[in-house]
Amino acid sequence: SQQGEEDPQALSIQEGENATMNCSYKTSINNLQWYRQNSGRGLVHLILIRSNEREKHSGRLRVTLDTSKKSSSLLITASRAADTASYFCATRLRDSNYQLIWGAGTKLIIKP
Amino acid sequence: DTAVSQTPKYLVTQMGNDKSIKCEQNLGHDTMYWYKQDSKKFLKIMFSYNNKELIINETVPNRFSPKSPDKAHLNLHINSLELGDSAVYFCASSQIPVGRARGEQYFGPGTRLTVT
Repeated sequence: SQQGEEDPQALSIQEGENATMNCSYKTSINNLQWYRQNSGRGLVHLILIRSNEREKHSGRLRVTLDTSKKSSSLLITASRAADTASYFCATRLRDSNYQLIWGAGTKLIIKP
Repeated sequence: DTAVSQTPKYLVTQMGNDKSIKCEQNLGHDTMYWYKQDSKKFLKIMFSYNNKELIINETVPNRFSPKSPDKAHLNLHINSLELGDSAVYFCASSQIPVGRARGEQYFGPGTRLTVT
């Protein structure tokens, strides 16, 4: 079943600009994770934020979580051509040890 | 060292054939998954095994049969292939999120299946 919805579906920006992607979900979660998928490759885990956290940083990535609105955002600062990829959010539901519920992804294109 | 590997990377076959995709992880994880990603990049869970035991079995045609000979391997066998089976199939693994483990998933490179 699909829980996450991401917007925008596609985003095209100039190199050096910041990129923001959003993810909304429906039910209570244990944590929310962001993954990147380069064209023709498998998904790579980027960052995880727990339900009791509000913000997390990793290098040029900043993730926020608003559990009252059931939403998260991924900000990539100072974008580079190599950031061109699809980005997926995935939620781990409370009381679920095994399954992640995936969003449909945002396709990000960084123009040189 | 490759963490999660899949073979083959590409698979082109005709309708009605039977094929298998193999997956191996060397991360020592307890849980493995099969996903199907369609042309719109929608990622759908198919199966999950924990320590060789089937724990997730989504609504998938019974032409698809997973097999886990040990916790490092999860293979996917598909009988009587149909055009709609064309997609990219990803294997993934994770550790159960208890203690310090957070449960993030590690993906293989994918197998692009084309049924003609």
